[in-house]
Amino acid sequence: DAGVIQSPRHEVTEMGQEVTLRCKPISGHNSLFWYRQTMMRGLELLIYFNNNVPIDDSGMPEDRFSAKMPNASFSTLKIQPSEPRDSAVYFCASSLAREYEQYFGPGTRLTVT
Amino acid sequence: DAKTTQPTSMDCAEGRAANLPCNHSTISGNEYVYWYRQIHSQGPQYIIHGLKNNETNEMASLIITEDRKSSTLILPHATLRDTAVYYCIVRVAEYGNKLVFGAGTILRVKS
Repeated sequence: DAGVIQSPRHEVTEMGQEVTLRCKPISGHNSLFWYRQTMMRGLELLIYFNNNVPIDDSGMPEDRFSAKMPNASFSTLKIQPSEPRDSAVYFCASSLAREYEQYFGPGTRLTVT
Repeated sequence: DAKTTQPTSMDCAEGRAANLPCNHSTISGNEYVYWYRQIHSQGPQYIIHGLKNNETNEMASLIITEDRKSSTLILPHATLRDTAVYYCIVRVAEYGNKLVFGAGTILRVKS
């Protein structure tokens, strides 16, 4: 099993640029979660999907952030325009209904200069 | 979801048992206790979860007090690779329910 796959692993971009982070959940999993981790705020949930439908996006910081899940095997998190305060590690996780534990990907380390 | 309280950090000698406490005095009857850990530069990793009874798997044991207001995660023979941040999370085990991470406990296993 390949586990949750995230790309890119590292991203460095300039302020104002668009950034797209990608996630491939574990095959067969029904739920997908996007988290952000910083030293100041720790690990925070941004948004999660059940069966490709966004359920709770209350953690999305502002309108510059958007997430999509066009099918069961792919999700994107987009930041447009990016700002230096968006610098963080972004994790994607997936889970299977009735098992509840979430499996995390390796994360994408984003640096906005 | 109920709030949890964990010590900021703990040290453990390699080969000894690591006992990580967690207080969750406001836990509800339908809330489970989950433990995750995060090794440096990696994504969080699920360890174990339980409702009332003590649980054991290949990674750890979870001891929940009878009143369910606290629990202890036990790593029976800690190794250097167990050095990580350990998160205790209380939540309702519903389909697709979200996790809310606190600050966790930094466990340092020393040789």
